[in-house]
Amino acid sequence: GAVVSQHPSRVICKSGTSVKIECRSLDFQATTMFWYRQFPKQSLMLMATSNEGSKATYEQGVEKDKFLINHASLTLSTLTVTSAHPEDSSFYICSARRDPNTEAFFGQGTRLTVV
Amino acid sequence: ELKVEQNPLFLSMQEGKNYTIYCNYSTTSDRLYWYRQDPGKSLESLFVLLSNGAVKQEGRLMASLDTKARLSTLHITAAVHDLSATYFCAVVYNDMRFGAGTRLTVKP
Repeated sequence: GAVVSQHPSRVICKSGTSVKIECRSLDFQATTMFWYRQFPKQSLMLMATSNEGSKATYEQGVEKDKFLINHASLTLSTLTVTSAHPEDSSFYICSARRDPNTEAFFGQGTRLTVV
Repeated sequence: ELKVEQNPLFLSMQEGKNYTIYCNYSTTSDRLYWYRQDPGKSLESLFVLLSNGAVKQEGRLMASLDTKARLSTLHITAAVHDLSATYFCAVVYNDMRFGAGTRLTVKP
């Protein structure tokens, strides 16, 4: 399968600061990338869908001003958690797909801890 | 809105036994996936099922899809400890939605 690289794998930040997570498709061009959040012992919840060159589409209940998503190129999407709070601590996972008819591949995930 | 229901949520098995995990979904879908997740890790793709009647097998795992019933199953044959993990089904309808996951523990 194709490779999706997510960085960093772990990050600890202080309350009130911002943290950026990168998601890169290494060997294909991803027209669409997805961002998920997973709390302990729960399933993956879709946060937003980003298409290259367009504004992200956020799921209901996800604050777009808090979770900034940028998909400026066909190989890179970023998720910035702004003014982080302890309740934002979670496992964030991205996925990327070439087009709607192909499989989406997942990054390694980022464990965010806000202290 | 697409809903994906997975059961059971927890499954404790003895080694050597067989069991089935079920995944129901609410609307017509293009594709259905099964994933494995180990603690602290991301998802590992197991199967992609594209059409009605599709059956795929890998080792002790076999997945099937009935699009008319909107049901997929993941069957475990002669379980071994290494299969202990959380298993998710995911359904594609524009985007991808996940079931709640089945936490499988295989005991000696």
